[in-house]
Amino acid sequence: GENVEQHPSTLSVQEGDSAVIKCTYSDSASNYFPWYKQELGKGPQLIIDIRSNVGEKKDQRIAVTLNKTAKHFSLHITETQPEDSAVYFCAASFGDYFWGKLQFGAGTQVVVTP
Amino acid sequence: DGGITQSPKYLFRKEGQNVTLSCEQNLNHDAMYWYRQDPGQGLRLIYYSQIVNDFQKGDIAEGYSVSREKKESFPLTVTSAQKNPTVFYLCASSVMTGGTNEKLFFGSGTQLSVL
Repeated sequence: GENVEQHPSTLSVQEGDSAVIKCTYSDSASNYFPWYKQELGKGPQLIIDIRSNVGEKKDQRIAVTLNKTAKHFSLHITETQPEDSAVYFCAASFGDYFWGKLQFGAGTQVVVTP
Repeated sequence: DGGITQSPKYLFRKEGQNVTLSCEQNLNHDAMYWYRQDPGQGLRLIYYSQIVNDFQKGDIAEGYSVSREKKESFPLTVTSAQKNPTVFYLCASSVMTGGTNEKLFFGSGTQLSVL
């Protein structure tokens, strides 16, 4: 089955610096890759996603890149702010049809210090 | 206000007791899902349902049961077979159009603890 590895498990950055989180996946059929942000005691919030026919997608300070050949994708947060502090999860679809069936990485705890 | 409502926020059960977690959505989504999150870990799929009166097992269905009698509702029963002390349960939903609108949205979760 699908396996998603996420690194690093914790990431501490100074406010204003950039943060990068990397994920690798094993199923070559995966074609949908969302990223979620989870604050303590809350459900995950979808912040950006990318599909396999696109190599890069950007939304304000957040960007995601996908390398299908190498089977890895990354989340980039620029100009980090204290409100970016949260746990971030990457995910990959398994099966080539049903997006809701996602395999999640273990998460990255991001701490932005003022 | 559209969204996914999970209740209760916190739930405690005694060993040997079954409990049912509620999930309701008013987004008119076809598909609903239950994920489990253990402390410090990622999410794992328990059950999912694409249509009323039909549901499928995910990766970790043992010790759980679900029903889908209405499009808006997808309750999860946690049986006494589940031994973990504290688990965060997340309900989610999505459309099933097959296009770029197919995204997974989550509720706010229910934390279940065993006394």
